[in-house]
Amino acid sequence: DTAVSQTPKYLVTQMGNDKSIKCEQNLGHDTMYWYKQDSKKFLKIMFSYNNKELIINETVPNRFSPKSPDKAHLNLHINSLELGDSAVYFCASSQTLSKDAGTKNIQYFGAGTRLSVL
Amino acid sequence: KQEVTQIPAALSVPEGENLVLNCSFTDSAIYNLQWFRQDPGKGLTSLLLIQSSQREQTSGRLNASLDKSSGRSTLYIAASQPGDSATYLCAVYRGRDSNYQLIWGAGTKLIIKP
Repeated sequence: DTAVSQTPKYLVTQMGNDKSIKCEQNLGHDTMYWYKQDSKKFLKIMFSYNNKELIINETVPNRFSPKSPDKAHLNLHINSLELGDSAVYFCASSQTLSKDAGTKNIQYFGAGTRLSVL
Repeated sequence: KQEVTQIPAALSVPEGENLVLNCSFTDSAIYNLQWFRQDPGKGLTSLLLIQSSQREQTSGRLNASLDKSSGRSTLYIAASQPGDSATYLCAVYRGRDSNYQLIWGAGTKLIIKP
């Protein structure tokens, strides 16, 4: 069983459309994340949820809205897609997120969703 | 503002060689540092996590060191194999409480030639 699974793996869509990416983890972790990896390969945190509550919300357009129906799922909905949204989006999870938690901070990643906006 | 730099951006070596990947960070007030590998079309795999109180961690042929005072970490790969070919990413944890998060380098693309 895949520990962190995200769907779809590839997503090609037109500008202006609304799309969702789903993420599920079966590790029993409390914390989940969404990252964006741009063309220069830098990974940037977008959102982080702990036990279904938003704890990190970096500066991303409000067209991006995360939803966590339960702590095993963190979905990403994107409205009015733009060309600049084209990237690879990674979901990840960890047991916790705390400076004192040591190895419980280790993050496990999904395989990524390659989004292409035409 | 914490910045993470990885040098070189790409490295190609013959199989069997020992090699070192470098990671530097601008703010030494980090909590933990983590090395990942990324394979094409796949997600990231955690290799080693070094807590701020530690100086190194070892896993198999991998050894990661951390020198907070100089803002550097190295990943040493012994007896490299073609299967080690991947992009290696370094990330540091910074921030406090709810803002605790990973800051990433751009990675070193490693190619091991058979």
